[in-house]
Amino acid sequence: QKEVEQNSGPLSVPEGAIASLNCTYSDRGSQSFFWYRQYSGKSPELIMFIYSNGDKEDGRFTAQLNKASQYVSLLIRDSQPSDSATYLCAVRNQGGSEKLVFGKGTKLTVNP
Amino acid sequence: EPEVTQTPSHQVTQMGQEVILHCVPISNHLYFYWYRQILGQKVEFLVSFYNNEISEKSEIFDDQFSVERPDGSNFTLKIRSTKLEDSAMYFCASSVIRGRDNSPLHFGNGTRLTVT
Repeated sequence: QKEVEQNSGPLSVPEGAIASLNCTYSDRGSQSFFWYRQYSGKSPELIMFIYSNGDKEDGRFTAQLNKASQYVSLLIRDSQPSDSATYLCAVRNQGGSEKLVFGKGTKLTVNP
Repeated sequence: EPEVTQTPSHQVTQMGQEVILHCVPISNHLYFYWYRQILGQKVEFLVSFYNNEISEKSEIFDDQFSVERPDGSNFTLKIRSTKLEDSAMYFCASSVIRGRDNSPLHFGNGTRLTVT
């Protein structure tokens, strides 16, 4: 069973702080990794994707991937109250499979 | 920015009835998907569709479910003889290229299906 695990939270940070969200996955052959943001009752919204070891930065967001440890993280700098949402980690496995396997998500609350 | 459009936003049906959920993927995308999310649970893959046929499906996608691309723009999910446990948010998604790292999925706003 290929799993994606996330701490469900809630994770609470003050406005302006760095929020750190973590995700582990079980399939060592996984190729692509995605972070989605989901507001309550809404659809997942893509924030970033990463497929090479190391860091990838986009504005206030940095994704970090460590394939040896089967670990991917998302850092949100200068957190804003509007960042309050559930963050979903999704993994696309190898072998030509199209499906994304999602974690259950980490609920983030940014306090003003 | 182009969007995936889903209708209706909310569908209420009685157990045993058939429902059809509608999606218009982004126009230059080639791969289409249905996912569902039961309240409070993970987003789960149902099916992927390319070149007018199913390319992959999950264990959830049994004979009760079918997908169709009836014309050049619409992509539908049909659920026959709905059950209470089919109540969920159903998301349509599309992507440009199959199996490529730079081909993330773009999700529609979802259809909330309530089976009573």
